[in-house]
Amino acid sequence: KQEVTQIPAALSVPEGENLVLNCSFTDSAIYNLQWFRQDPGKGLTSLLLIQSSQREQTSGRLNASLDKSSGRSTLYIAASQPGDSATYLCAVDTGRRALTFGSGTRLQVQP
Amino acid sequence: GAGVSQSPSNKVTEKGKDVELRCDPISGHTALYWYRQSLGQGLEFLIYFQGNSAPDKSGLPSDRFSAERTGGSVSTLTIQRTQQEDSAVYLCASSLVIEGLAGAFKNIQYFGAGTRLSVL
Repeated sequence: KQEVTQIPAALSVPEGENLVLNCSFTDSAIYNLQWFRQDPGKGLTSLLLIQSSQREQTSGRLNASLDKSSGRSTLYIAASQPGDSATYLCAVDTGRRALTFGSGTRLQVQP
Repeated sequence: GAGVSQSPSNKVTEKGKDVELRCDPISGHTALYWYRQSLGQGLEFLIYFQGNSAPDKSGLPSDRFSAERTGGSVSTLTIQRTQQEDSAVYLCASSLVIEGLAGAFKNIQYFGAGTRLSVL
């Protein structure tokens, strides 16, 4: 059974810092991995999707990497801003289409 | 051009009552998913619909839970005889699976804002 773990569970940083969120998964037979953002009381917003054949994806200040063989992904956020404060979720698709999620990293960026 | 719409946004019910939660997916999306997010836990898959295929019900926690999708569009998740442990945020997502070469595919799921269910 696929299990997804995210570290740290919570993170507080001052504005402007670069930071890394970590995601690990137990079964490397994945089709793709997604990073989502969740704001309080709202649904999830997809940030980046990395297919299993890819190593990384970039969108603005966000960069996600994937190392399938070691079962790891990282989300790098450059020059963090207070508006980045949210919970970040990592999810893998093992081909059954429904996603397996980690429990998230709650990020607080202080002005 | 609206996103995934869920109703109601909040539902408070008494233990033992039945509830229905509604999901209106993005037009044209063939896949629809229900997930549950309990306090302090990650999202848990419940059920998945794809086109006219039989739904994947493997995530439903008990036979009190059921879901249907009428006309390949709107879906209703029904919880019978609600229990306090059913209290959670129920999230719906839809997607358009794009098949690529050699079995690769893109499956970007778009989520609704969820229904927060509180069972007293």
